[in-house]
Amino acid sequence: DAGITQSPRYKITETGRQVTLMCHQTWSHSYMFWYRQDLGHGLRLIYYSAAADITDKGEVPDGYVVSRSKTENFPLTLESATRSQTSVYFCASSEGTGRNEKLFFGSGTQLSVL
Amino acid sequence: GENVEQHPSTLSVQEGDSAVIKCTYSDSASNYFPWYKQELGKRPQLIIDIRSNVGEKKDQRIAVTLNKTAKHFSLHITETQPEDSAVYFCAAKIGYNKLIFGAGTRLAVHP
Repeated sequence: DAGITQSPRYKITETGRQVTLMCHQTWSHSYMFWYRQDLGHGLRLIYYSAAADITDKGEVPDGYVVSRSKTENFPLTLESATRSQTSVYFCASSEGTGRNEKLFFGSGTQLSVL
Repeated sequence: GENVEQHPSTLSVQEGDSAVIKCTYSDSASNYFPWYKQELGKRPQLIIDIRSNVGEKKDQRIAVTLNKTAKHFSLHITETQPEDSAVYFCAAKIGYNKLIFGAGTRLAVHP
């Protein structure tokens, strides 16, 4: 869905460098999520946010930092990239609880750490 | 800890056959169970979901069943078609609004 966009689409970096992946949604959804996708592991939750300035850890938060100063943006930063962080990263958003729990995913960022 | 197990990891069927994917979850408080389909190179998209107050839900050729006592739920696809070939993920809601996914099932439908 065009309402949630990720950038960059592809990124190659080196071990030890800081990398920031961007996520922007235009629906004013309350909830936003970051997942990483690796073969054999499916989609693993890194961090999520219930609203601006509210974030919480997911299943695999180590090595990542998030912020949410505005409702529409949810950047993910790898402070010192490692090879194990080579993955496809998906951002997602949802309205929240009740009848509107459907996740809308971005198109993903393929990150390679050399 | 919180986890969702999904089986099988790969599934190969002939066109027209049925396909069944099974998942189990650990958190007895989970009350929302969606299924996502991811075609090659694309983003995951919701295909069907079920809530804990319902035992079964159907949408054309797709159905999901839930057994709360056993903490497992299943996706059933009938009359499979080549365009059903994709990776399917089950998920369970943990806590207020955190979705934990299974490892995925790669379904191949052969003409």
